[in-house]
Amino acid sequence: ILNVEQSPQSLHVQEGDSTNFTCSFPSSNFYALHWYRWETAKSPEALFVMTLNGDEKKKGRISATLNTKEGYSYLYIKGSQPEDSATYLCAFNSRTDKLIFGTGTRLQVFP
Amino acid sequence: GAVVSQHPSRVICKSGTSVKIECRSLDFQATTMFWYRQFPKQSLMLMATSNEGSKATYEQGVEKDKFLINHASLTLSTLTVTSAHPEDSSFYICSARSLGYEQYFGPGTRLTVT
Repeated sequence: ILNVEQSPQSLHVQEGDSTNFTCSFPSSNFYALHWYRWETAKSPEALFVMTLNGDEKKKGRISATLNTKEGYSYLYIKGSQPEDSATYLCAFNSRTDKLIFGTGTRLQVFP
Repeated sequence: GAVVSQHPSRVICKSGTSVKIECRSLDFQATTMFWYRQFPKQSLMLMATSNEGSKATYEQGVEKDKFLINHASLTLSTLTVTSAHPEDSSFYICSARSLGYEQYFGPGTRLTVT
C-alpha cells in the first residue's frame, strides 16, 4: 500500500514567521511529486510539480525541495502572511496515472 | 487559465435517490478526468479515472454500478451516485488533465444523504 504522510497536521504561526512542512512518500517507482494549496470553498491550486531528485522550485515566498532517494519533500513559506492560510496538500505520482494524496497540513497565519 | 468548475457545490438528497454531479473544464480540453472522494479527516482518495469517449477505470473497492461516470466530451464529465445511502455522504471533487502532469481541480461537491 502506497502511503503519503504530511506533517505537521496543523500549524499556527504569526504573520512574518517563516514555516515549513514535510511530505514523505515512497521512494520507489517515483514519477512526480505535486504540491497544492487549498483554501476553504475553493479549488485546490497547483503550486509545484517536481520530478527530479534535488529539484528546488520557487514561487514568490513559497519554495519546495525534493529528495526522491529518501522519499521526502519540504515546502517553505518565508514571511507568512494571513492570506497564506490554507491547507497544503502533497500528492505522489508513481508510474501510473494515479495521484496519492497526503492528509494535508492546515496552516493558520495570525496577523 | 486551466479552470475547472463543478456543480452543484452542495446537495442534500434522500436515501434511495440518485444525484448527478457535473465537472467541466472551462478553458481547456481535458483528455482525462478524475473523481476523488474525501471523508472527514482523511485524504483525497481516487475513485475513478475517465478518458473521453471510453469507459471509466474504477479503483478497487469503488462500485461502478453505484458511481456511474460519463465522460462524453472533452470538457464534461459527470458522476452519478445511484440509490444514495447515508454512508455515501462525503465530499466529491473532480480534476481534469490535458497533457503533462498537472491535474486541475474543481471546487468540490458536498453530498449529504438523509
